[in-house]
Amino acid sequence: GAGVSQSPRYKVAKRGQDVALRCDPISGHVSLFWYQQALGQGPEFLTYFQNEAQLDKSGLPSDRFFAERPEGSVSTLKIQRTQQEDSAVYLCASSLDGRREKLFFGSGTQLSVL
Amino acid sequence: KQEVTQIPAALSVPEGENLVLNCSFTDSAIYNLQWFRQDPGKGLTSLLLIQSSQREQTSGRLNASLDKSSGRSTLYIAASQPGDSATYLCAAPYSSNTGKLIFGQGTTLQVKP
Repeated sequence: GAGVSQSPRYKVAKRGQDVALRCDPISGHVSLFWYQQALGQGPEFLTYFQNEAQLDKSGLPSDRFFAERPEGSVSTLKIQRTQQEDSAVYLCASSLDGRREKLFFGSGTQLSVL
Repeated sequence: KQEVTQIPAALSVPEGENLVLNCSFTDSAIYNLQWFRQDPGKGLTSLLLIQSSQREQTSGRLNASLDKSSGRSTLYIAASQPGDSATYLCAAPYSSNTGKLIFGQGTTLQVKP
């Protein structure tokens, strides 16, 4: 596609539910990143993939958060047993090669946990 | 550890004014610095990327500078327009992986017609 695509655009979950957020990066982009953005704040790094390899997951806030990119293209961020503090916008970004290239961001998934 | 700060948090200017947005960072061993624009409810759009070997980058009415020694970057917007109203974020890499970014909190700009 022309840009980074994320779905769903909005997700409302009851506390304790599991959710799965999808990211479809720009075709051919090797690097893929997940960020979490709280209201009124800048995005915070969650995790990074180079092709299918998850090279850095240091930003994941707890073991309830899990990300995968099994074929090196589409990625899924899964949050188990959601809590209210998980409410945020989850942004996906991709780049041709994360080292020195611009990042291209999707529009994000706004997650609200009630 | 790199820290990125943006001041002010919000700025309101009349249309046509030239303006400067500020970004400070603590680690001068910076690989690059990016400026992003974020419209309400949208993702981020990369505006300018300045590599560590560069002093500035220009795109249309936008000019970004990088001064590693002072730990500062500025985004200059010439002849501001109401369509420039958005939140502007700067970001620096944690390390040599320049896609793993530390963001400032952003400056929300309102350009009044």
